[in-house]
Amino acid sequence: AQSVTQLDSHVSVSEGTPVLLRCNYSSSYSPSLFWYVQHPNKGLQLLLKYTSAATLVKGINGFEAEFKKSETSFHLTKPSAHMSDAAEYFCVVSDREAGTALIFGKGTTLSVSS
Amino acid sequence: EPEVTQTPSHQVTQMGQEVILRCVPISNHLYFYWYRQILGQKVEFLVSFYNNEISEKSEIFDDQFSVERPDGSNFTLKIRSTKLEDSAMYFCASSGGGRGELFFGEGSRLTVL
Repeated sequence: AQSVTQLDSHVSVSEGTPVLLRCNYSSSYSPSLFWYVQHPNKGLQLLLKYTSAATLVKGINGFEAEFKKSETSFHLTKPSAHMSDAAEYFCVVSDREAGTALIFGKGTTLSVSS
Repeated sequence: EPEVTQTPSHQVTQMGQEVILRCVPISNHLYFYWYRQILGQKVEFLVSFYNNEISEKSEIFDDQFSVERPDGSNFTLKIRSTKLEDSAMYFCASSGGGRGELFFGEGSRLTVL
């Protein structure tokens, strides 16, 4: 069965410094992997997705993630944090054996200080 | 930009009452989903719906839950007799393809007293 582990429940960075949100996955098949972001009182917005094409995926707002099959990881990075990046981030997996349903990680809260 | 809309944004109900949460998916999408997020916990899959029937459901989605697409635009989640533990944020999502991106609504917060 597939699962997702987000290694940090809370990450704090200063504005202008790099962001690293860690995610490891477990999947019995070739997975699709996603990062979603949730701002306060807002819905879930797709940041980026990996679906077996390029292993380095670029998303919106300067975020990117690298799929590393050997490490079963899909960490989210951004070179320089902005105050508006403060939100909850979810790593999500989907694999064919599970149908179309997405399985969410527990989320990582990103705080950005000035 | 097309979006998924959900109503109500917040509903408070008494334990044992029936609740219907409504969603209008993106118009040309074919797959519809309900997820929920209990406060402080992860987002959990409830059910997916395709071609006018349930295609997948989780263990959470027991006989107290049902989904319906009563017309060409709405997709509803009904909880027949609410329990305290049903208090959560419920997200509707839709997708144009089987493994494509899911577009989520802003959620309906359900509080059961």
